[in-house]
Amino acid sequence: NAGVTQTPKFQVLKTGQSMTLQCAQDMNHEYMSWYRQDPGMGLRLIHYSVGAGITDQGEVPNGYNVSRSTTEDFPLRLLSAAPSQTSVYFCASSRTGYTEAFFGQGTRLTVV
Amino acid sequence: GIQVEQSPPDLILQEGANSTLRCNFSDSVNNLQWFHQNPWGQLINLFYIPSGTKQNGRLSATTVATERYSLLYISSSQTTDSGVYFCAVGSGNTGKLIFGQGTTLQVKP
Repeated sequence: NAGVTQTPKFQVLKTGQSMTLQCAQDMNHEYMSWYRQDPGMGLRLIHYSVGAGITDQGEVPNGYNVSRSTTEDFPLRLLSAAPSQTSVYFCASSRTGYTEAFFGQGTRLTVV
Repeated sequence: GIQVEQSPPDLILQEGANSTLRCNFSDSVNNLQWFHQNPWGQLINLFYIPSGTKQNGRLSATTVATERYSLLYISSSQTTDSGVYFCAVGSGNTGKLIFGQGTTLQVKP
């Protein structure tokens, strides 16, 4: 039981490049979400999903796309990377919308 | 939206000391969690505690939902307790969490 797995752990992109951050969970959780953490700050919600086929925007969605085709996977796509997207990205999952959330180990992204 | 405030922002302790971290939130919640972010950046679940009191070893937490605050107690602190402690709250049934700014704890040997 691996929990929430994020790949890659580190990534460097050039401005304008696109990429996908992967997130997978093996706990059969319905709810998944993506957060970003900037230096000295708490986490902020980017996008979330309440089940396969259902996604919605969080606090800071601009520049990111998501889809949820399976219960297990919730990839985050950067369409055209910008230096302002340099951050640490965390994926989380929970069994219901108000039960304990579990986080992946994070992806540290640098856009140059 | 719900506002979450944590205090103090920074805390320096000598090993063996006790401490209390506070989390205030501005509206009713049905989800409250405490996390420890270690120096490697991992978020470690400490407590899921939307109400009541829980204890786990040297750590304990209390949430008074009617007064909109939660407290995290660390007793006999160790250097491995160093890091950032986050409080996160949620309401409704979306799984969304709103994080406070964190309390940075440094425990000196």
